[in-house]
Amino acid sequence: AQKITQTQPGMFVQEKEAVTLDCTYDTSDQSYGLFWYKQPSSGEMIFLIYQGSYDEQNATEGRYSLNFQKARKSANLVISASQLGDSAMYFCAMRRGTTDSWGKLQFGAGTQVVVTP
Amino acid sequence: EAQVTQNPRYLITVTGKKLTVTCSQNMNHEYMSWYRQDPGLGLRQIYYSMNVEVTDKGDVPEGYKVSRKEKRNFPLILESPSPNQTSLYFCASRSIAGANYEQYFGPGTRLTVT
Repeated sequence: AQKITQTQPGMFVQEKEAVTLDCTYDTSDQSYGLFWYKQPSSGEMIFLIYQGSYDEQNATEGRYSLNFQKARKSANLVISASQLGDSAMYFCAMRRGTTDSWGKLQFGAGTQVVVTP
Repeated sequence: EAQVTQNPRYLITVTGKKLTVTCSQNMNHEYMSWYRQDPGLGLRQIYYSMNVEVTDKGDVPEGYKVSRKEKRNFPLILESPSPNQTSLYFCASRSIAGANYEQYFGPGTRLTVT
């Protein structure tokens, strides 16, 4: 069975600082995908970044980067230069690589980030 | 505009009164899913559909039913709601031909069962 673990229930970060959100996963699959989503207080799920298990380079999207360490089964999200608007719940998620699993995501419990001025 | 819509967005109901939460997507997606979100548990998949008339149980299907009679619609049915089904529900969809990162979420439905 697959499992996603986010060990940080919540954290405070000062504006303009970088923050790392931890995510570890457990799977026996060779092919899988890893996602990070942001959920602001308004409730919608916002896609941030994706990393495929076969991607050789770490994914980056603007201020977001994914620190992918395959051997350690970790996929930490790094947010550089935090902004007040980054205050939100952040979810790590994984999807198996098989076609019949493309619509199934397994989520972690989430990390609540509060950015302070 | 490409989107997944859910209705209603907010619902307060009583134990045992059957209800349906609708989900519709306008992108001709094959895959559709329902998730529930609870504090400390993240999102958990309830049901999943790979195409019309093809559905499968997710991790927490008890107390829920779904149907996929049309490609665009994937309603979630609670035949006899109970207070432990109070939660935030998300519908999601993606195309079989879409990019690896693709997953479209609806805005969520906040359900309270008293």
